[in-house]
Amino acid sequence: AQKVTQAQTEISVVEKEDVTLDCVYETRDTTYYLFWYKQPPSGELVFLIRRNSFDEQNEISGRYSWNFQKSTSSFNFTITASQVVDSAVYFCALSEALGDNNDMRFGAGTRLTVKP
Amino acid sequence: NAGVTQTPKFQVLKTGQSMTLQCAQDMNHEYMSWYRQDPGMGLRLIHYSVGAGITDQGEVPNGYNVSRSTTEDFPLRLLSAAPSQTSVYFCASSYSGGGYYGYTFGSGTRLTVV
Repeated sequence: AQKVTQAQTEISVVEKEDVTLDCVYETRDTTYYLFWYKQPPSGELVFLIRRNSFDEQNEISGRYSWNFQKSTSSFNFTITASQVVDSAVYFCALSEALGDNNDMRFGAGTRLTVKP
Repeated sequence: NAGVTQTPKFQVLKTGQSMTLQCAQDMNHEYMSWYRQDPGMGLRLIHYSVGAGITDQGEVPNGYNVSRSTTEDFPLRLLSAAPSQTSVYFCASSYSGGGYYGYTFGSGTRLTVV
């Protein structure tokens, strides 16, 4: 079964610092999908990005960027010039194409605190 | 644009009581799921449905029942609440296979069992 590890339980930075959230995954499938979700203090889950296993291009969206490396089974998330509004819990998730397509496995989450 | 609506937002139950968590979506999504979120464990799949009349178990199904009589609704029933079911519950939906496209989540139900 697939597994997602977010080793960083909590990270605290000062505003304007760059921060990288690590995500390491395990899967036996060659086709799979990776996701990042944000959970702000209000509690809802906000979709950030989806990446399939055949697309290793890095992606940038404003201050957010994602680095996908199949060689190290990692899908890391970087926030550049962090802001207080970035404070949230961030979840990395994985689903396998050949498995049950509703079985999305989540990491334990990383709580990011950005201090002013 | 309601999306996925969960009710109630908060609930306190006594051990042994039963209740139903409601979930409705207005996006005509075929796939719906229930997750629970516990500290340090991320989200874990309880039950899911690939369409009306079809349901299946996820990773942690014990103590919960579901049914899917319509495309829009996917209620989660706690048969006899236990303190171990204290958690935040999220309902999610997806047009086609949440694992492929990602889910739209409801705002969550915080359940406390005393």
